[in-house]
Amino acid sequence: AQSVTQLDSQVPVFEEAPVELRCNYSSSVSVYLFWYVQYPNQGLQLLLKYLSGSTLVKGINGFEAEFNKSQTSFHLRKPSVHISDTAEYFCALSGGSYIPTFGRGTSLIVHP
Amino acid sequence: DGGITQSPKYLFRKEGQNVTLSCEQNLNHDAMYWYRQDPGQGLRLIYYSQIVNDFQKGDIAEGYSVSREKKESFPLTVTSAQKNPTAFYLCASSRLAGPQETQYFGPGTRLLVL
Repeated sequence: AQSVTQLDSQVPVFEEAPVELRCNYSSSVSVYLFWYVQYPNQGLQLLLKYLSGSTLVKGINGFEAEFNKSQTSFHLRKPSVHISDTAEYFCALSGGSYIPTFGRGTSLIVHP
Repeated sequence: DGGITQSPKYLFRKEGQNVTLSCEQNLNHDAMYWYRQDPGQGLRLIYYSQIVNDFQKGDIAEGYSVSREKKESFPLTVTSAQKNPTAFYLCASSRLAGPQETQYFGPGTRLLVL
């Protein structure tokens, strides 16, 4: 069985501050990890994904994530956030099954 | 532009009524999925289809039905057996049914019960 835990349900931050959204996973097989973003009342879109190779993955809108196998983590970071980054962020894992397992989501709230 | 369309954006269901949510993709993707999203619960898989004329139940299939008669279409019917249907429904597709594949999502349909 595989599972994804997003440790924070909400992360408030001021504009231009750095942010980290945490994701831990559990799986007994090789993993592929994804971060998706959902703006209010919209579908999800891919931010970035880790399939293999370099553990530091860069995505769209200045986001990046680091795959840490020993810590079973895939935390998402951005050095300076904007108001427009306010959204719901989902970590997802696939590997044993081609159907991804999604975390419960982290709501990023950027204050001016 | 290629993408996934879902209609309607909002749907109202009366007691005892079946309703159908539309999902169409022009990405030429083989695999399609239906998810239900409730606040604080993330995405839960209802049904998925790897290929035309084939589909499997997901984690919460009870009270729902689907069909996959065409590659580009994967409609979801919420039946009267689904006692708590109020939710945001997301359709997605992927190029193939594989663990490395990115899922592409539609804009969603919000279902409300009258």
